[in-house]
Amino acid sequence: TQLLEQSPQFLSIQEGENLTVYCNSSSVFSSLQWYRQEPGEGPVLLVTVVTGGEVKKLKRLTFQFGDARKDSSLHITAAQPGDTGLYLCAGNSLNTNAGKSTFGDGTTLTVKP
Amino acid sequence: NAGVMQNPRHLVRRRGQEARLRCSPMKGHSHVYWYRQLPEEGLKFMVYLQKENIIDESGMPKERFSAEFPKEGPSILRIQQVVRGDSAAYFCASSRQGGGNTIYFGEGSWLTVV
Repeated sequence: TQLLEQSPQFLSIQEGENLTVYCNSSSVFSSLQWYRQEPGEGPVLLVTVVTGGEVKKLKRLTFQFGDARKDSSLHITAAQPGDTGLYLCAGNSLNTNAGKSTFGDGTTLTVKP
Repeated sequence: NAGVMQNPRHLVRRRGQEARLRCSPMKGHSHVYWYRQLPEEGLKFMVYLQKENIIDESGMPKERFSAEFPKEGPSILRIQQVVRGDSAAYFCASSRQGGGNTIYFGEGSWLTVV
């Protein structure tokens, strides 16, 4: 069974601070997705990374896929209260359908004004 | 995640009753996936369906749970004789094709068993 471990589980910071959350596994993934989920809503896809060492930027968010495709990180610069939410990573192993993803348990981020 | 429609958004059932959750995929999508999320946990894959076919049900509990995606109409996740442990958020996602395609989630159905 593939497992994705996310850390930290909870993170509370002040507006304007930077932060990094992590997603680690002992398994290799063909692709990895990051989602953000707000209370009472479904997950919203932020990014998909597929190449080892890949870095993608989405405004203040920077996503990195590890060289070995076993881990990933999400860095947020100058966090804002609107960034508050549950950040989930999900991985797809080789030869499995993209919809059958393995999810981590998420990092709950709170950004205080 | 706009476009994947789930209903009801909230459902309350007494122990022993049946729960039916519906999912209409995005327009043009023929692949549907159901996930379950317990409080403060990530999503757990349940089942993957195409029209009239169950492709992968490896995440479905062996008893009381079933899913279908008929030729016409929405996909339905059915839970018979619900128990309190079934209380969770159930998410549906869809994709245009299988294998490597991005999936889009609906807003979920929250089941509470009292």
